[in-house]
Amino acid sequence: LAKTTQPISMDSYEGQEVNITCSHNNIATNDYITWYQQFPSQGPRFIIQGYKTKVTNEVASLFIPADRKSSTLSLPRVSLSDTAVYYCLVGDWQGSARQLTFGSGTQLTVLP
Amino acid sequence: DTEVTQTPKHLVMGMTNKKSLKCEQHMGHRAMYWYKQKAKKPPELMFVYSYEKLSINESVPSRFSPECPNSSLLNLHLHALQPEDSALYLCASSQGAGGNEKLFFGSGTQLSVL
Repeated sequence: LAKTTQPISMDSYEGQEVNITCSHNNIATNDYITWYQQFPSQGPRFIIQGYKTKVTNEVASLFIPADRKSSTLSLPRVSLSDTAVYYCLVGDWQGSARQLTFGSGTQLTVLP
Repeated sequence: DTEVTQTPKHLVMGMTNKKSLKCEQHMGHRAMYWYKQKAKKPPELMFVYSYEKLSINESVPSRFSPECPNSSLLNLHLHALQPEDSALYLCASSQGAGGNEKLFFGSGTQLSVL
């Protein structure tokens, strides 16, 4: 199984950069790494996705080393509203069907 | 339209009731998913439909019965549930089922079983 492992929780202060690392030792060759953000009582929301090296969008950056066994989500200058649970996802394949299983996620708490 | 719409937002039901959760998307996505999420836990995959066919069933009890009437709609029929089935039920969709698919989630149905 392409299981993911993340820290259970992290604290940060407003304005700091936050890096959350996820390990995915058994990632499939054709699979991407996708990160989601979830607020309480809401569905997860897509943040960023990558296959290798570095990807950047308007909210985050994603760093993936050459062996692809881990990835790091980087949130620049966090604010209180970034307090949420962050999940990294990789897929498991059952034949041609892709199973997307959430790991435990990282609870990020941003403090004033 | 980039929304996945779930109804109802809240549902309270007894153990002998039959109810249905509904999910709708108009993004032309061909894969749809049901997840169950207990408080302070990650979402757990229940079912995956790909091109309106059930492709993954994660050994979910038969009191949960999914249905995909067409490519835009996904239902979850509930019957004889137990109190431990109380949870947030999330629907998601994706364009297909490839390695780079992004999931779009609805806001969920908060289910309480009494």
